Amino acid sequence: GQQVMQIPQYQHVQEGEDFTTYCNSSTTLSNIQWYKQRPGGHPVFLIQLVKSGEVKKQKRLTFQFGEAKKNSSLHITATQTTDVGTYFCAGQISSGSARQLTFGSGTQLTVLP
Amino acid sequence: DAGVTQSPTHLIKTRGQQVTLRCSPKSGHDTVSWYQQALGQGPQFIFQYYEEEERQRGNFPDRFSGHQFPNYSSELNVNALLLGDSALYLCASSLAHAGGHIQYFGAGTRLSVL
Repeated sequence: GQQVMQIPQYQHVQEGEDFTTYCNSSTTLSNIQWYKQRPGGHPVFLIQLVKSGEVKKQKRLTFQFGEAKKNSSLHITATQTTDVGTYFCAGQISSGSARQLTFGSGTQLTVLP
Repeated sequence: DAGVTQSPTHLIKTRGQQVTLRCSPKSGHDTVSWYQQALGQGPQFIFQYYEEEERQRGNFPDRFSGHQFPNYSSELNVNALLLGDSALYLCASSLAHAGGHIQYFGAGTRLSVL
């Protein structure tokens, strides 16, 4: 079955440093989504990437989708304490009417003040 | 505009018991998906309901079953509970014909099996 792997599992950074998490799928994806889960909270949708090689930015966050549509990354510039949480990628394969999301295991980000 | 609501928030059961979790989707959404999230892991897809039918199922045993009602709300039932079923159970709603099937999650039900 489809697998989505995410690295690193944990990342500790000093406030103001940059952060990157990487996501790799065993199969070609129709799209990839990114979610953030704060400690004790639930996943919240951040963004969706659909096109090969797509790059999207949200303020300090930059999301990329690989050319082969099998990998993706999230880069945060100049982290802040509000960035603390676990970041998940979730890949989707379109197969008929089925739209199942497969989540990676997440990268837990800790930002030290 | 209410978001996704789940009940109960916490639940304690013993091995062998049965449990029912409930979910009301975000207003206007017609699809409900259920996920199991173990501590330190990503959400694992259990199944998805659309038009009151199970549309797709993840790698979970038949002990896990569900239902969707005409008002789009949904239930997740787990029979013969095992210790390993202890997890956060997340419900997510989406709109079937919207692009990308973006998931809107509820706050979850924390299930502890003793």
